[in-house]
Amino acid sequence: DAGVIQSPRHEVTEMGQEVTLRCKPISGHNSLFWYRQTMMRGLELLIYFNNNVPIDDSGMPEDRFSAKMPNASFSTLKIQPSEPRDSAVYFCASNHRGTYNEQFFGPGTRLTVL
Amino acid sequence: EDQVTQSPEALRLQEGESSSLNCSYTVSGLRGLFWYRQDPGKGPEFLFTLYSAGEEKEKERLKATLTKKESFLHITAPKPEDSATYLCAVHSEGRRALTFGSGTRLQVQP
Repeated sequence: DAGVIQSPRHEVTEMGQEVTLRCKPISGHNSLFWYRQTMMRGLELLIYFNNNVPIDDSGMPEDRFSAKMPNASFSTLKIQPSEPRDSAVYFCASNHRGTYNEQFFGPGTRLTVL
Repeated sequence: EDQVTQSPEALRLQEGESSSLNCSYTVSGLRGLFWYRQDPGKGPEFLFTLYSAGEEKEKERLKATLTKKESFLHITAPKPEDSATYLCAVHSEGRRALTFGSGTRLQVQP
């Protein structure tokens, strides 16, 4: 199994630009999570999908952030417009049965907003 | 609000020097406590899930234990390849999401 796949691995952009992060979960997993990790705040859940439906988006910082899961094998996290404080490592994770089970994390996307 | 506190923030051990990492939690009804390992530049990797006080799980040199207020990750005779950040997370009745601690950075010197 290839594991969770994320792209790009690194993204550098300027403030105000739109950023789109992509995730392909492990085949057969029905839950998908987007996390953000910073030195100051650690690992925080942004949004959680189950069977392609958003279950909990209470961690999404503000309206500039949006996430979609059009099918079981693909999800996007979009930031528009981006700001320097969005600089972080963004992880995608997937599993069976959501929060009750171990999560399999992708390698992350390191985002730098100048 | 769920709270997870890990200590120490950083720990340096000599190879073979056993020690323990602590994860203290305050939650409204624990559904599960998770331990993850994170290597630099990589995503967290699952180690253990504990569900009730008194439960213990082992994997190679690692053993995780759970009480009603905290969990310990015991590392016996560590090797340099055990160097990583160890993250603790809780799932509670009050939240759908996991709450992660800030982690303990472990360095094992040969």
